[in-house]
Amino acid sequence: NAGVTQTPKFQVLKTGQSMTLQCAQDMNHEYMSWYRQDPGMGLRLIHYSVGAGITDQGEVPNGYNVSRSTTEDFPLRLLSAAPSQTSVYFCASTDGTSEYQETQYFGPGTRLLVL
Amino acid sequence: GQSLEQPSEVTAVEGAIVQINCTYQTSGFYGLSWYQQHDGGAPTFLSYNGLDGLEETGRFSSFLSRSDSYGYLLLQELQMKDSASYFCAVRALTHSGGYQKVTFGTGTKLQVIP
Repeated sequence: NAGVTQTPKFQVLKTGQSMTLQCAQDMNHEYMSWYRQDPGMGLRLIHYSVGAGITDQGEVPNGYNVSRSTTEDFPLRLLSAAPSQTSVYFCASTDGTSEYQETQYFGPGTRLLVL
Repeated sequence: GQSLEQPSEVTAVEGAIVQINCTYQTSGFYGLSWYQQHDGGAPTFLSYNGLDGLEETGRFSSFLSRSDSYGYLLLQELQMKDSASYFCAVRALTHSGGYQKVTFGTGTKLQVIP
């Protein structure tokens, strides 16, 4: 049971390049999210998914695309990288949407630098 | 929209008790979570309150009052390894309804000193 995995761990991009951050979970969770964290800041929600084929925007969706074709995978695509997208990106999955119980598991993060 | 407020920094002595408060403004509130994050690491889940009252997990407890839009995390018998950032996070229904999303506060940096 690997939990939530993310690749790559580190990435350097030039302005205008595109790339995909990979996220996978093996816990059969329906709910998955992408967050970005800037230095000294909290986590801001980019996009989330409540199941295969269903995604929705978070607080800061501009410049990012997602899709969810399987329960396990939730990739995040940067369409045309900008220096403002330099950040640490965390993927997370949640074990349920009960009103009374929730645990969100985070991947180790991807550190992205856009030059 | 949603907003959360928590203190930016707290310092406490090893062995003591510290309380980190979180106030929130949101509609469609479901519950309040707490996460710990060490420098350079990923957030790890500590607790979740979906109902009013106190939840206890070992040295950590979390409290929620829905009527006051307020919660806190209580850390007892502080250890040096508890030095980290602590985030509260609100789970709420989106404006479009039906889906829930999680909004994080900006975090409280706890420093435990000998």
